[in-house]
Amino acid sequence: DTEVTQTPKHLVMGMTNKKSLKCEQHMGHRAMYWYKQKAKKPPELMFVYSYEKLSINESVPSRFSPECPNSSLLNLHLHALQPEDSALYLCASSQDLSDYQETQYFGPGTRLLVL
Amino acid sequence: GQNIDQPTEMTATEGAIVQINCTYQTSGFNGLFWYQQHAGEAPTFLSYNVLDGLEEKGRFSSFLSRSKGYSYLLLKELQMKDSASYLCAVKGNYGQNFVFGPGTRLSVLP
Repeated sequence: DTEVTQTPKHLVMGMTNKKSLKCEQHMGHRAMYWYKQKAKKPPELMFVYSYEKLSINESVPSRFSPECPNSSLLNLHLHALQPEDSALYLCASSQDLSDYQETQYFGPGTRLLVL
Repeated sequence: GQNIDQPTEMTATEGAIVQINCTYQTSGFNGLFWYQQHAGEAPTFLSYNVLDGLEEKGRFSSFLSRSKGYSYLLLKELQMKDSASYLCAVKGNYGQNFVFGPGTRLSVLP
């Protein structure tokens, strides 16, 4: 099973709303990732969690707040977003951040529209 | 710093062979990945190279030359469903995440 699930699939929110994106994997992976992808662009890394601890934060604005409640779950809390934050948000997981061959498996993404 | 380059778009005919190139300059090297991404879907893993040479997986092969900072993905017997973006991603220093190239949008025509 190489499945990473994400909910919701689509989300529309206003600039004053608070919402959360959820990601789940049951592959026993210890590293989980959040990416942001704009149309016709490659995914851009936002955050990396390794063993439930934040390992990498790529200078993401504080209106994005990640959370890793346990090794299978990863959340991204959204607050006071801007229209330019509209994008596809991808979650991924891999066996371990330090693995030599660190294949990342991606979820289907949440398509976010900020009005 | 890290710099990864791919052609933006390519077009090929069903049944043909196409080669998608990726050049990179990174601080450290711990492997190069190829992913396929259909429009509106998640990237899916295709191949991984860390040593020089060719890795073959069915219709897809990937080649790496570390001295030249160069890789290619070779797709044989193209099918319409191969129309997608192809992303190369390079893992730099140990323990760091990899960085995606800009991606190549491949269109397969009948």
